[in-house]
Amino acid sequence: QSALTQPASVSGSPGQSITISCTGTSSDIGGYSYVSWYQQHPGKAPKLIIYDVSSRPSGVSNRFSGSKSDNTASLTISGLRAEDEADYYCSSLTSTDTQVFGGGTSLTVL
Amino acid sequence: EVQLVESGGGLVQPGGSLKLSCGASGFTFSGFDIHWVRQASGKGLEWVGRVRSATHNYATAYAPSLRGRFTISRHDSSTAYLQMNSLKTEDAAIYYCAIYYEINAFDIWGQGTTVTVSS
Repeated sequence: QSALTQPASVSGSPGQSITISCTGTSSDIGGYSYVSWYQQHPGKAPKLIIYDVSSRPSGVSNRFSGSKSDNTASLTISGLRAEDEADYYCSSLTSTDTQVFGGGTSLTVL
Repeated sequence: EVQLVESGGGLVQPGGSLKLSCGASGFTFSGFDIHWVRQASGKGLEWVGRVRSATHNYATAYAPSLRGRFTISRHDSSTAYLQMNSLKTEDAAIYYCAIYYEINAFDIWGQGTTVTVSS
């Protein structure tokens, strides 16, 4: 199983919106609605921000949203804030009942 | 408070072995699948494997690249383990345990334990 493909970095200005893509195959993203997204600040454990493609855990800002089309999932962050600067990872269940993560995307808030 | 706490990390020589533990508190540990995820310094997250609950016969699964060297087990009092053998320098990483607590994703993570593989 290969890692899901994410852009290495994205950037945006405060108040803007950005979208991070996560591309897999029909054996992972395309085959299931179990796509999740994690935010990780330096030196911290990852934090879940999106699950089941587009659901938000309690306490996560509605500025974070998720979607999926075919083999590609996307995370959109609207109204960018300085505290959104972090690494973001997608993850999916696979056809072999394992998990796979994306390579990660570093978000810079300009 | 629901918590996971990893321990057992340290320095090991290439070719050596190490056993990590994942302890739990604040919830009924036995009812949950336990996953291990690792992160090499400056790199991304990598799913290592998981052990399922007794309901699912403690079934294990591993990332294909790690199968054969790593073994995950559990004692249902409150601890899961990651036995790592034939360690390579590229196995050096922070190792996290994580669970699907309330939803279908890793919503609870430990703080991680650091493994260094070096001579």
